[in-house]
Amino acid sequence: EVQLVESGGGLVQPGGSLRLSCEASGFTFSTFDMTWVRQAPGKGLEWLSYIDTTVTAIYYADSVKGRFTISRDNTKNSLYLQMNSLRAEDSALYYCVRVSSSYFGSGSFDVWGQGTMVTVTS
Amino acid sequence: EIVMTQSPATLSVSPGERATLSCGASQSVSEKLAWYQQKPGQAPRLLIYGAFHRATGIPGRFSGSGSGTEFTLTISSLQSEDFAIYYCQQYTNWPLSWTFGPGTRVEI
Repeated sequence: EVQLVESGGGLVQPGGSLRLSCEASGFTFSTFDMTWVRQAPGKGLEWLSYIDTTVTAIYYADSVKGRFTISRDNTKNSLYLQMNSLRAEDSALYYCVRVSSSYFGSGSFDVWGQGTMVTVTS
Repeated sequence: EIVMTQSPATLSVSPGERATLSCGASQSVSEKLAWYQQKPGQAPRLLIYGAFHRATGIPGRFSGSGSGTEFTLTISSLQSEDFAIYYCQQYTNWPLSWTFGPGTRVEI
């Protein structure tokens, strides 16, 4: 079964840091680009960051650029998101998401984890 | 940045009825448009990619259409399990960015 399992969320004070992890299984992780998407409580979806298979292309949304760092370890089938200088508005459910590599679907998000909750509060 | 809009915000329908959801883009995204379904407490699920291609395992009652700046998701005969929030997403500039619409809630 294709699966993504996030971990590392929790409660953190403003200005603090947190590292999210995502473990992939059921597919060849090293051959897929990956992203992080978040969803604030009761709100919509926001793309945050992208990383390609060989870590040669990395992109961020303006809202997290300079504060968040995406990385991956293909030997461990894992994706990471290092989050620094956290703000209250970063409070959300963070999803690890696979980028489709199919011919017509390339660029869409075809596999989602269940998410890990991050709450930034004093 | 490409801004996505969706209408209506909420769609009230009865089981068995047809539902038509609209999605607009502030500039052309060609056919780089996907639709996702999100049920309460669950992660989003890919329904449609490339504007009209159904994802694996998605029932035939879901169909997508459109290109450029205007898109439609049609659910031909609503089932009880279809009541959810539906988001459109453009990926014409990927991997530089992706943007989602605000969502349409389909309710009874």
